[in-house]
Amino acid sequence: DTGVSQNPRHKITKRGQNVTFRCDPISEHNRLYWYRQTLGQGPEFLTYFQNEAQLEKSRLLSDRFSAERPKGSFSTLEIQRTEQGDSAMYLCASSPRGDGIEKLFFGSGTQLSVL
Amino acid sequence: QKEVEQDPGPLSVPEGAIVSLNCTYSNSAFQYFMWYRQYSRKGPELLMYTYSSGNKEDGRFTAQVDKSSKYISLFIRDSQPSDSATYLCAQTGANNLFFGTGTRLTVIP
Repeated sequence: DTGVSQNPRHKITKRGQNVTFRCDPISEHNRLYWYRQTLGQGPEFLTYFQNEAQLEKSRLLSDRFSAERPKGSFSTLEIQRTEQGDSAMYLCASSPRGDGIEKLFFGSGTQLSVL
Repeated sequence: QKEVEQDPGPLSVPEGAIVSLNCTYSNSAFQYFMWYRQYSRKGPELLMYTYSSGNKEDGRFTAQVDKSSKYISLFIRDSQPSDSATYLCAQTGANNLFFGTGTRLTVIP
């Protein structure tokens, strides 16, 4: 059990480009979450998967954002046509089967900088 | 109004001091409250969680929830330089967590 793994750790892109982040949750964790954190703020919820089903999306998740979790294992978060306001830390978290959201385990995040 | 409000600090204390970190929440419907610790350039790490009201102790850390005042507290006894981090309080929603802004703590040797 190596914890939640996120790649890449850092991404620098130009405005208008597309970016994709990957999250590998802790093995056998069936719930997976994406959060966004900007400097000086707490994480904000983006979306949530139970197995391969995306069950909830925040209003923060505009049409330019899409997340997938094929086969209920790893997940990807894609941002199309990036804007400077998308610059943030994107955090992935997972929780074990049978436990509630009170036991979330976070990865180290992907720091996105949009120039 | 945000679901969870937290004083961002920063807070600096000498080594060995007792630290008190506090948050308020607005929605009484959800009753799990968490404290996370976040080191620079790392993801949040769950310290402890409590259900409903009362106290929970884990080593040098004590979490307290006062439902009457909608107040969440974390106390750190005998603070150490390694406790220097940002501390985030959180409350469960239906399928997500609502976080405070985090309080940046520095423990000075």
